[in-house]
Amino acid sequence: KQEVTQIPAALSVPEGENLVLNCSFTDSAIYNLQWFRQDPGKGLTSLLLIQSSQREQTSGRLNASLDKSSGRSTLYIAASQPGDSATYLCAVKMDTGNQFYFGTGTSLTVIP
Amino acid sequence: DVKVTQSSRYLVKRTGEKVFLECVQDMDHENMFWYRQDPGLGLRLIYFSYDVKMKEKGDIPEGYSVSREKKERFSLILESASTNQTSMYLCASSLLGFTNTGELFFGEGSRLTVL
Repeated sequence: KQEVTQIPAALSVPEGENLVLNCSFTDSAIYNLQWFRQDPGKGLTSLLLIQSSQREQTSGRLNASLDKSSGRSTLYIAASQPGDSATYLCAVKMDTGNQFYFGTGTSLTVIP
Repeated sequence: DVKVTQSSRYLVKRTGEKVFLECVQDMDHENMFWYRQDPGLGLRLIYFSYDVKMKEKGDIPEGYSVSREKKERFSLILESASTNQTSMYLCASSLLGFTNTGELFFGEGSRLTVL
């Protein structure tokens, strides 16, 4: 069964710093990988989706990369802001079946 | 934009009550999912459905049932609510994938408290 791990569980950085969040998965037979943001008490908001054939996707200050063969993805956040404070989760969809597998998230705090 | 709407953001119910959580999506997605999210346990899949009247058990189906009579609507039912079902419930939907991105979209969540 696919296992998705996110390390660290929590991260605190000063405003303006560039940072990297990590996501690793055990089974490389994935269809896509998706990064989400979750604010306290809210649902998950999709940030970036990377298809298995892609290496990276960018949206504004966010850049997500995928190395399928090594089972790793990173989410790079440039020039962090206090409004980026949230929990970030990654999820993979497998090549077969309809299920998604989630990491437990990284809680990010950006200190003004 | 895809929208996934959960009918109730906050509910408070008593032990033994029957609880309905409703979810509607407006983008003709085949797949719909119900998850619960608890601190330290992450997201856990309760049930999912890949077509009308079709359902599959997820990792924690005990104590829950689901209904999908129309493509856009997926309901989660707690036949007899218990205190250990106090949680955040998240509905999500996606296209089947394989000929499209398979992107997953979530609703705002329903916070259920069972007293």
